[in-house]
Amino acid sequence: QSALTQPASVSGSPGQSVTISCTGTSSDVGNYDLVSWYQYHPGKAPKLKIYADTKRPSGASNRFSGSKSGNTASLTISGLQAEDEADYYCCSYAGSSTYVFGTGTKVTVL
Amino acid sequence: EVQLVESGGGLVQPGRSLRLSCAVSGFTFDDYAMHWVRQAPGKGLEWVSGINWNSGSIGYADSVKGRFTISRDNAKNSLYLQMNSLRAEDTALYYCAKDQSLRFLEGFGMDVWGQGTTVTVSS
Repeated sequence: QSALTQPASVSGSPGQSVTISCTGTSSDVGNYDLVSWYQYHPGKAPKLKIYADTKRPSGASNRFSGSKSGNTASLTISGLQAEDEADYYCCSYAGSSTYVFGTGTKVTVL
Repeated sequence: EVQLVESGGGLVQPGRSLRLSCAVSGFTFDDYAMHWVRQAPGKGLEWVSGINWNSGSIGYADSVKGRFTISRDNAKNSLYLQMNSLRAEDTALYYCAKDQSLRFLEGFGMDVWGQGTTVTVSS
């Protein structure tokens, strides 16, 4: 159960779009349509942004979208806002009744 | 209001045990699967364990398998994590989280989280 690989940081100006990648293997990301994405301010409760690769939870902002190609999932934040500055984690089902999180990405709004 | 409140954390010596609890309110507890997720100091999120609505299916991360036991009492609207043989590397902020589905393996994600309880394993 190795952590999924994410870039340590990404940044963008207000109004721009940023994309965060999440690379796994054919045993997790590439084998199941079960990647979710979480926004996390350390010490606070994480927030679900995307589940099942591309689905948004009820009431979630449509500025967040998910996609996947092969063993790599991606989260795109459109129309970047100051409130989007946070850590983001992907999470994938990894088989054998287990899940694995990504290494986390810090999004900075310039 | 949907709420998850963790408790039971604290300072414990290596090799000892601790039991975490998560009291839930504001939703029908036995309609949803539940998870425990932790964050060690300076590290990322780590999935620890998950349990179906009826305890019929349970899973553990390799790092805790054989030492931790997840359970739930639907009559008491509570989730538990029994942690035995604790190690220094178990030091973390532990979150309980509600799944969007009955079954935690359906990949619907964790849509409600508590504020966490801190576990420190040190002599």
